[in-house]
Amino acid sequence: DVKVTQSSRYLVKRTGEKVFLECVQDMDHENMFWYRQDPGLGLRLIYFSYDVKMKEKGDIPEGYSVSREKKERFSLILESASTNQTSMYLCASSFPDLEGTDTQYFGPGTRLTVL
Amino acid sequence: AQTVTQSQPEMSVQEAETVTLSCTYDTSESDYYLFWYKQPPSRQMILVIRQEAYKQQNATENRFSVNFQKAAKSFSLKISDSQLGDAAMYFCAYRKTSGSRLTFGEGTQLTVNP
Repeated sequence: DVKVTQSSRYLVKRTGEKVFLECVQDMDHENMFWYRQDPGLGLRLIYFSYDVKMKEKGDIPEGYSVSREKKERFSLILESASTNQTSMYLCASSFPDLEGTDTQYFGPGTRLTVL
Repeated sequence: AQTVTQSQPEMSVQEAETVTLSCTYDTSESDYYLFWYKQPPSRQMILVIRQEAYKQQNATENRFSVNFQKAAKSFSLKISDSQLGDAAMYFCAYRKTSGSRLTFGEGTQLTVNP
């Protein structure tokens, strides 16, 4: 089974702090994704990566950056956390299967609160 | 840009009954994939069912089935013989054939009453 893990389930930070959210997958997937989940808005894509050191902006990249130095690890960075970044953050990974459907597998999520 | 809409923020069903969750989407593509994901309380999101747009036959996975109406751009999920473990947030998602990005709907919170 695919396993996607995230470094923290709950995180509380202060406004202005630099925040790192880590995601690790154990299935050698090429694609990795960061989403934020807010009530009534569903999941919105922040950034994704299709290979080591490769990244592409999603729908809401402002205020975030990412790093992918190793294939299994994808980090989301909040350079200067703000209260409007309080949210649930979900990581996912994927690889095209034999049917080409490229199913995404999700981590448990990190609930970040910025005070 | 593609959009996905789930017009039912909350639904409830009695145990053993059948419930249908609605999803509509907008795209100019002719070939794409559609998905239903389930997010149980405090647990990881998992794939429930997927449908390739070029396939006319509706996908089925045990008690879960879809009603895919391509012309109407509708993709509803039917859960038969509902169980307490089906209680979760359900998300509908769309993906173009080329590329890996998913576009999600707002989600429907399903409650199963004993």
